[in-house]
Amino acid sequence: DTEVTQTPKHLVMGMTNKKSLKCEQHMGHRAMYWYKQKAKKPPELMFVYSYEKLSINESVPSRFSPECPNSSLLNLHLHALQPEDSALYLCASSLGQFDYEQYFGPGTRLTVT
Amino acid sequence: GESVGLHLPTLSVQEGDNSIINCAYSNSASDYFIWYKQESGKGPQFIIDIRSNMDKRQGQRVTVLLNKTVKHLSLQIAATQPGDSAVYFCAENAPSQKLVFGQGTRLTINP
Repeated sequence: DTEVTQTPKHLVMGMTNKKSLKCEQHMGHRAMYWYKQKAKKPPELMFVYSYEKLSINESVPSRFSPECPNSSLLNLHLHALQPEDSALYLCASSLGQFDYEQYFGPGTRLTVT
Repeated sequence: GESVGLHLPTLSVQEGDNSIINCAYSNSASDYFIWYKQESGKGPQFIIDIRSNMDKRQGQRVTVLLNKTVKHLSLQIAATQPGDSAVYFCAENAPSQKLVFGQGTRLTINP
């Protein structure tokens, strides 16, 4: 299984809502990533987990809260988002944090109203 | 077809022609580079990588060239097919040990 799955595919939420994005991989990868991608722009790194511990936080606002319950799962909890947070949120995984061949999921298209 | 400059946002080629997509990277300390392909509605897909101790690497229908002197990377796609239509991103490993993506080039194929 060489697939990274993400749910939901689409999400519309109000600025007062709380929601979560989920990511799963069963490739035995020990590094997992969250990226944000705005339209016609490259992916921008948000968080890196290595062996289930937060390794990199790219100064992301606290309204985004990552969680890695186990080596196969990665969540991104969303609360009090702003309309400018609307974007495609991509999850990726790699064998280790320093293995740069990252496998990406299809993303969750988030719209904040 | 060949992109005529760096950071060109779009490249249009005839089906069957060769495509060349260029990328300038920023950090001379980067030692690993990747090309990703992103089709509409999908996440980026790994195409090919190259380490800084190489100047050329070939895959199936794709070749990556690295010129460290001018910090330039290119992706050549042979016999371009409709399925090659996508946005192509180069990425470099930054000294902070994360991948940094370039701005991307949209490749469109004319029949």
